Amino acid sequence: GQNIDQPTEMTATEGAIVQINCTYQTSGFNGLFWYQQHAGEAPTFLSYNVLDGLEEKGRFSSFLSRSKGYSYLLLKELQMKDSASYLCAVRDRFVRGGSSNTGKLIFGQGTTLQVKP
Amino acid sequence: NAGVTQTPKFRILKIGQSMTLQCTQDMNHNYMYWYRQDPGMGLKLIYYSVGAGITDKGEVPNGYNVSRSTTEDFPLRLELAAPSQTSVYFCASSSNTGAEQYFGPGTRLTVT
Repeated sequence: GQNIDQPTEMTATEGAIVQINCTYQTSGFNGLFWYQQHAGEAPTFLSYNVLDGLEEKGRFSSFLSRSKGYSYLLLKELQMKDSASYLCAVRDRFVRGGSSNTGKLIFGQGTTLQVKP
Repeated sequence: NAGVTQTPKFRILKIGQSMTLQCTQDMNHNYMYWYRQDPGMGLKLIYYSVGAGITDKGEVPNGYNVSRSTTEDFPLRLELAAPSQTSVYFCASSSNTGAEQYFGPGTRLTVT
């Protein structure tokens, strides 16, 4: 089956570092995405990993281990505006014209991060 | 570029009514998606399309229908609305080789 797990809630202090973990078990794999979603708004793209290792983009980094079915999102120098939900999503193997189980994004339930002063 | 636009922003339906949620993108993306998001949950894929004239079911297609007559538009049809369809609906698009999906602002639907 398809399963993506993330912690439901996390709290951190402004200026600190926080790591949000994501574990997955899916029938296919063609990349892992992290999205940020502020309350009442649409998700916005943060990062994408398809190979093992660390991808760094400013204050945000994302790590992937395909053998362990594991990823994390690392947020440094936390700011109040980082309070949001963070969604982990796995993309299934993309086959043009394939069945409904191919090529889609499977989302975890999201981790709500609260940054406190 | 406006990106992905959705109308309406909010809607209240009575049980048994029907409606169409509109989605348009101006990025010439081939791939388009409809998701629903229930409170405190992640997104569930309803339907997707890999190009004009081609659509396929996602994880939760029951009670919905889609069409894709043009590259730009991907409307979602709700027939015989039920309270279980109360949710926030997001439309998204992506390019053939691009990694990310771009999301519209969402439609908040309540069925009472």
